[in-house]
Amino acid sequence: EAQVTQNPRYLITVTGKKLTVTCSQNMNHEYMSWYRQDPGLGLRQIYYSMNVEVTDKGDVPEGYKVSRKEKRNFPLILESPSPNQTSLYFCASSQTPGQGVSYEQYFGPGTRLTVT
Amino acid sequence: AQSVTQLDSHVSVSEGTPVLLRCNYSSSYSPSLFWYVQHPNKGLQLLLKYTSAATLVKGINGFEAEFKKSETSFHLTKPSAHMSDAAEYFCVVSDQIAGFQKLVFGTGTRLLVSP
Repeated sequence: EAQVTQNPRYLITVTGKKLTVTCSQNMNHEYMSWYRQDPGLGLRQIYYSMNVEVTDKGDVPEGYKVSRKEKRNFPLILESPSPNQTSLYFCASSQTPGQGVSYEQYFGPGTRLTVT
Repeated sequence: AQSVTQLDSHVSVSEGTPVLLRCNYSSSYSPSLFWYVQHPNKGLQLLLKYTSAATLVKGINGFEAEFKKSETSFHLTKPSAHMSDAAEYFCVVSDQIAGFQKLVFGTGTRLLVSP
């Protein structure tokens, strides 16, 4: 079954304690992305990756890091989490978008993070 | 830059009555537009997408949307609501930046369906 998986699904942590949220897709997609969802704000892009070793900032990258060492995996790293990073996080993947061509993004189930 | 506005944060309907979720967009190009649905504690699922092939787009679960360039709208409709339609719906426009796709999300419309 084609899917995007994220782990953990729920996480409660304390300020400053480094954490990683994993994301993996089995569709051989080159494009992957991380979003955060906050009430009344919709989804905002944190980082995206066009291919292995190619990553770039989205709209709200501050306080986050990513890496793309393999095509299937795109972990999100919070080096020093703060309470304003409490949110619902989604990983997504798609075929490589191109000029004038847009593809459906497939979303993971989400990770609900609480930072106290 | 492109943007999308969902005109209602909440819409309430009775089961069996029509559904209308409104979306307006701004775009400098010929946009790609999507509607995604998010059920409670679930990820986002694509309902339908417009990519300039036809202005009336049919999606899953009986939903459809009509692209109206003159009104810059992409409203989502369904003739008869079902209890299982209760969810949050996101209108999304695809922004092309230097040849790369960037999705711009609306703030969402929560659909409530009463018996």
